[in-house]
Amino acid sequence: AQKITQTQPGMFVQEKEAVTLDCTYDTSDQSYGLFWYKQPSSGEMIFLIYQGSYDEQNATEGRYSLNFQKARKSANLVISASQLGDSAMYFCAMREGANTGGFKTIFGAGTRLFVKA
Amino acid sequence: DAGVTQSPTHLIKTRGQHVTLRCSPISGHKSVSWYQQVLGQGPQFIFQYYEKEERGRGNFPDRFSARQFPNYSSELNVNALLLGDSALYLCASSLERTSTDTQYFGPGTRLTVL
Repeated sequence: AQKITQTQPGMFVQEKEAVTLDCTYDTSDQSYGLFWYKQPSSGEMIFLIYQGSYDEQNATEGRYSLNFQKARKSANLVISASQLGDSAMYFCAMREGANTGGFKTIFGAGTRLFVKA
Repeated sequence: DAGVTQSPTHLIKTRGQHVTLRCSPISGHKSVSWYQQVLGQGPQFIFQYYEKEERGRGNFPDRFSARQFPNYSSELNVNALLLGDSALYLCASSLERTSTDTQYFGPGTRLTVL
């Protein structure tokens, strides 16, 4: 069964420090996409970063980078130089379905990040 | 360019009633997906529509249905509402329907069933 696991319900980080949010996944598909989204208290899901299963380089978007280890089926999000505005819920998600044509995105339970001043 | 829009933003219904939620995708996006997010959990996939056809369905009862219109906007319908249907309903759009497409989400509709 397809599955996304985020083992850290909550994380604290000091402002300006880096933080890593963990994500492991399970799939039998060869082609899939991995995504991270940020959800502030307002509720909107904000796209942060994407990694394709065939991409050899780790994805980076500004202060966000994705540490992709395919053999270990992990896709950890690294946020560098944390800011107070980074306090939010973070979701790891996997999109698959190339084999069946019925694409769907599965989300993890999320990690709540608290940035301390 | 406008992002994904959803209406209404908030809705209060009673058990047994029916509700229709609406979503307009980003211009040029042909795929729309619906998700249910119960408080404290990650979003759960309900449907994906592409070119007006259902292309994916999650583990939701037949009380949930959806459709996509020629302009690619979409409606999610829920019949015979239960208390457990109270949630944030998110709509997401993407260009195509591949596993590598990035989905962009709307602000959501918060449904409360009393």
